[in-house]
Amino acid sequence: DAGVTQSPTHLIKTRGQQVTLRCSPISGHKSVSWYQQVLGQGPQFIFQYYEKEERGRGNFPDRFSARQFPNYSSELNVNALLLGDSALYLCASSVDFGLPHTGELFFGEGSRLTVL
Amino acid sequence: RKEVEQDPGPFNVPEGATVAFNCTYSNSASQSFFWYRQDCRKEPKLLMSVYSSGNEDGRFTAQLNRASQYISLLIRDSKLSDSATYLCVVSPTGGFKTIFGAGTRLFVKA
Repeated sequence: DAGVTQSPTHLIKTRGQQVTLRCSPISGHKSVSWYQQVLGQGPQFIFQYYEKEERGRGNFPDRFSARQFPNYSSELNVNALLLGDSALYLCASSVDFGLPHTGELFFGEGSRLTVL
Repeated sequence: RKEVEQDPGPFNVPEGATVAFNCTYSNSASQSFFWYRQDCRKEPKLLMSVYSSGNEDGRFTAQLNRASQYISLLIRDSKLSDSATYLCVVSPTGGFKTIFGAGTRLFVKA
């Protein structure tokens, strides 16, 4: 079975532009989460979606938005890009929402965004 | 204060050594705890969950101390392949807004 797939893998944007990142979860997984990982730091939680509804939001500005589609794939949008948005954006899928017993998140390889 | 804090290291140890990492968390309502491993320029992968009673998986042992709000990871008989960044992960009730620590880097040398 395919794992979590993300696209694009690398992209370069300039300040003020907008970017859309895409994620396809593992088949059968209904929950998708987005994380931002800056070099040398751990992943920072941005959003979680489950059954097409936003279930959690991290401390990110409104320039960041996301959605989940009926097939459970997801998009992360970032508007008015800043230099500080340069990071690895990770998508993770899980079987369900609110499962404290396993909590396993399956990550994609990420989309590396560089803002110039 | 950060929600999850880890010693960034790096820890440089010889093969065969025993090494321990600690992680503290600030939210006493946290319910689920995990250690993830991240290799250089790769995605994080679950290493093990951490249970209140402590748990062991081969050379790896995880402990949880709710009273002091910290979790630990012990690696025995370190291998070269254990070189990675170890991420402490905490999740509140409900499972969303999973919080990752900044990670502890481990280098195991021959």
